[in-house]
Amino acid sequence: SAVISQKPSRDICQRGTSLTIQCQVDSQVTMMFWYRQQPGQSLTLIATANQGSEATYESGFVIDKFPISRPNLTFSTLTVSNMSPEDSSIYLCSVVTSRGGNEKLFFGSGTQLSVL
Amino acid sequence: GENVEQHPSTLSVQEGDSAVIKCTYSDSASNYFPWYKQELGKRPQLIIDIRSNVGEKKDQRIAVTLNKTAKHFSLHITETQPEDSAVYFCAASMSFQKLVFGTGTRLLVSP
Repeated sequence: SAVISQKPSRDICQRGTSLTIQCQVDSQVTMMFWYRQQPGQSLTLIATANQGSEATYESGFVIDKFPISRPNLTFSTLTVSNMSPEDSSIYLCSVVTSRGGNEKLFFGSGTQLSVL
Repeated sequence: GENVEQHPSTLSVQEGDSAVIKCTYSDSASNYFPWYKQELGKRPQLIIDIRSNVGEKKDQRIAVTLNKTAKHFSLHITETQPEDSAVYFCAASMSFQKLVFGTGTRLLVSP
């Protein structure tokens, strides 16, 4: 399966600032997604990162707050803009790759964000 | 859209016992059901998945069963070990673009 790396692994930020999270995959993937996991909660899909076009956002998430770039099939960034303490979460990129002939979803190493 | 319910929220067992976690889904069009294990501070790890053309799948000590008629699927762990302690998430989707996760089950295996 693909190796999915995220940077930074964690950060502590001041409210009102922005943080850009990077996701690098060691092979080309078609489908890439960004998830949020609030403290003690489940995983919620933020958006699908589309290569060469605007991301597709889920209900409750908007481009102005979570701009996403995907310049190629191995890399994506998620920016958390104008942060507030409510944005404190783990942010995870995920990709779909094949294993054993079947497609499966794997997660990156995650970014633990704390907003003061 | 899809809605996934997961029970129980917490499960405590003795080492060697079996553990069962159950999920129900709402969208009859869903055809892919993965299970993830998340240890504290780590990423969710895919442990087993099942597609709707199969009723049961087994991988060593873990198995997943699917009842399409009732729209529920379950994770079974036999001969539990302390290292099985983690949070387990089920999920359902018709396509990877809309993978919806359950609320999670915290499994504690006591030695």
